[in-house]
Parts: sequence; structure tokens; C-alpha cells
Amino acid sequence: DGGITQSPKYLFRKEGQNVTLSCEQNLNHDAMYWYRQDPGQGLRLIYYSQIVNDFQKGDIAEGYSVSREKKESFPLTVTSAQKNPTAFYLCASSPSGESTDTQYFGPGTRLTVL
Amino acid sequence: AQKITQTQPGMFVQEKEAVTLDCTYDTSDPSYGLFWYKQPSSGEMIFLIYQGSYDQQNATEGRYSLNFQKARKSANLVISASQLGDSAMYFCAMREGWNTDKLIFGTGTRLQVFP
Repeated sequence: DGGITQSPKYLFRKEGQNVTLSCEQNLNHDAMYWYRQDPGQGLRLIYYSQIVNDFQKGDIAEGYSVSREKKESFPLTVTSAQKNPTAFYLCASSPSGESTDTQYFGPGTRLTVL
Repeated sequence: AQKITQTQPGMFVQEKEAVTLDCTYDTSDPSYGLFWYKQPSSGEMIFLIYQGSYDQQNATEGRYSLNFQKARKSANLVISASQLGDSAMYFCAMREGWNTDKLIFGTGTRLQVFP
């Protein structure tokens, strides 16, 4: 079945450690996105990528980094510079990144920093 | 100013009844798209329905319809014949312009369907 997978579902890390969240899609979509969701709030865009080897900062990119070496994969690294990393992280993809395209989401990773 | 406003933090509806979830938006761009997503307790965001700013008719997808009132800048989601499985958070989102990837989300409405 085509879809977006994120792993792990739950992640615990100590403060000061970098951590990488995985996002893979087999929908042959060009564009991929990372969002952060805090309790009681909507989603905020961290980074997005429209094509391989290219990505753009979203609204809250500070303390995060990404790579897009393959079309199917868009991993997100939460660095120690991110002041408040505990949150729910959602990855999404869309066919081409055009404004009419729908973004489809993965199941999310809940990150807790202890 | 908030770009997307969802004024109902929570709504209750009885099974088989219809319910309307409110969404107002703010943009000066004539080209935009409006989306509704459902987020069950599992966390995944499920796409429900899309309305483009130039669409002449209100969008419908099965039991979901979008009451699009452009002059009032509102894009309310109507769920007909509610089911227990409809209990979830519902988010309205907007994309401005033709060449932007950014989706702006509202804060969501929690819908609870009771028997």
C-alpha cells in the first residue's frame, strides 16, 4: 500500500542530544514537509522540500535540520539548539508542491526530551 | 492577526445528526486554497475536503461538505449523519497564493459524537 511512514512512533531523548526522525513515502510525491504540533495548537511548518537536494525553511526552522538525498526520504534532525523540542512531529508529502495539491500526512512521532 | 480562526474549541453532536464546524480566514491574496483535516486520537492528520478560491461550487466529499462564503471569508465544514467514529480534532487550513507550499492551520475544534 502507498503511504507515508514515520518512525519511531514514540521517542525519548535526554536534553542536549541530537535526534533524527525518519519520514519515508512511496507515493512518488515530489514535495515533502515537516510540521510540529504542540498541545492545543495547530501545526507549524519547520522545513519543506520540493525536489531532491533542495529544501526551504518554514516558520520555525531554528534548532532543526533536514536533508533530501532521495525522493522517498526526508529525515528531520532535532538538534540540541532547539530550546523546547518536546512535541508531536508530523511529516507530509504532496504530488508536486503546487498550491492546489493536497498534503498527505504520516502517523507522526511523539518526541519527549527528558 | 490570525490567518485561520476556529472559534469552537469543542463541539458535541448526537449520532446521526449534522454538525457544522466553523472556520474563518484572513487573506488579501485572491488565490488561495482551504483544507479540512481530521485528527483522531492516534495523531495522524487525515485529509477531508478542499475548496479553491475560484471554485464556483461548494466542495463535497461523501458526508463532508464545505459551506464556502467568500465574501464573509468563511469555510465551514458540515458533517452530515454523524458517526461515533467522527469523534476527533478537526483542523481548518489555508494555503495562500499559487506558488507557496505553506499551509497555515487553525487551532482546531474537538468534536465529540455521542450515542
